[in-house]
Amino acid sequence: AQSVAQPEDQVNVAEGNPLTVKCTYSVSGNPYLFWYVQYPNRGLQFLLKYITGDNLVKGSYGFEAEFNKSQTSFHLKKPSALVSDSALYFCAVRVPRANNLFFGTGTRLTVIP
Amino acid sequence: EAGVAQSPRYKIIEKRQSVAFWCNPISGHATLYWYQQILGQGPKLLIQFQNNGVVDDSQLPKDRFSAERLKGVDSTLKIQPAKLEDSAVYLCASSSLRTAYEQYFGPGTRLTVT
Repeated sequence: AQSVAQPEDQVNVAEGNPLTVKCTYSVSGNPYLFWYVQYPNRGLQFLLKYITGDNLVKGSYGFEAEFNKSQTSFHLKKPSALVSDSALYFCAVRVPRANNLFFGTGTRLTVIP
Repeated sequence: EAGVAQSPRYKIIEKRQSVAFWCNPISGHATLYWYQQILGQGPKLLIQFQNNGVVDDSQLPKDRFSAERLKGVDSTLKIQPAKLEDSAVYLCASSSLRTAYEQYFGPGTRLTVT
């Protein structure tokens, strides 16, 4: 069975500083990994995905994520945080043999001006 | 391109009542998903359609939840009768066959059962 762990419920970072939101996963077969962001009163928005290829994946709004197979991690990063990045971030993994997603519990990112 | 539409945005009902949610996916998207997001948790898949057929409904509580996508476009999700623990945001998402892993989500329907 697949699982996704987001060990931090809350991450605070100062504006302009680099940010990292952590995700580890467990899945049989090749992992397909995703990050989504949820702003208040809005649906989830796709940020980026890793299917195959380069371990460093670039996505929307300057975000990137690094796939680390040995550590089974897919941490979300951004070099310089903006106040507008404050939101709820979800890591997800594809369910094998299905085209749907299993989500983590989410990490609330707060960027402090 | 218009996004995924959902209605209503908010609904308050009493336990044991019934409720229905509607979703209109992005035009041309063959796959439609319904998720339940309980406060403080990630979205959990309830049911997945491809066109008008069910791909996965293993997590759908079939004794009270039902969903349909009769013409392969719009979809409705129904709860009958509702329980207190059904209070959640119900999210609809769609994806194309070409980019199956990029799901586009609607704004959700926030259900409160009292």
